[in-house]
Amino acid sequence: AQSVTQPDIHITVSEGASLELRCNYSYGATPYLFWYVQSPGQGLQLLLKYFSGDTLVQGIKGFEAEFKRSQSSFNLRKPSVHWSDAAEYFCAVGAPSGANNLFFGTGTRLTVIP
Amino acid sequence: EAQVTQNPRYLITVTGKKLTVTCSQNMNHEYMSWYRQDPGLGLRQIYYSMNVEVTDKGDVPEGYKVSRKEKRNFPLILESPSPNQTSLYFCASSSGLQRSSYNSPLHFGNGTRLTVT
Repeated sequence: AQSVTQPDIHITVSEGASLELRCNYSYGATPYLFWYVQSPGQGLQLLLKYFSGDTLVQGIKGFEAEFKRSQSSFNLRKPSVHWSDAAEYFCAVGAPSGANNLFFGTGTRLTVIP
Repeated sequence: EAQVTQNPRYLITVTGKKLTVTCSQNMNHEYMSWYRQDPGLGLRQIYYSMNVEVTDKGDVPEGYKVSRKEKRNFPLILESPSPNQTSLYFCASSSGLQRSSYNSPLHFGNGTRLTVT
């Protein structure tokens, strides 16, 4: 069965610093991988996705993520964080047969300090 | 504007009093889904629907019902709510599960915060 682990519940970074949010998945084959962001009081918005091909994917708002099959990871990165990036971030995995039936991780809350 | 609309945004009710949370999308999407979000548990899928009159259970369907009589609407029904159903609920939609739609992201509503006392 699919599962997603986000080991960091809460991360605090200074504005302008780099960011990496961790995501590990468990799945028998190459899954479809997603990162979503949830701003306070809002629904989730897709940041980026990986289906196949280039393992480094670019998303919106300057985010990128790298799929590493050997580590079963799909970590999200941003070179310079802005105060508006403060939000909760969810990694999700979908089976290729039903990519929209997603299994979500427990989320990582990002706080950005001036 | 393309959107998924949930109502109400906030709801406080008592144990056993039937309620319905509505969800409507204006994107002609085939696929719709309900999630609940709880601290430390992330989002868990309750039910989903691949098209009109086609619904299926997600991971946590107990205590919930859904219906899909029209393509745009996918209401979530709690026949006899209990306090353990206090949660934040999200409806989502996308253009479907076919391979051609894999690049279509899930569109989420803004959530319904339900409190059952």
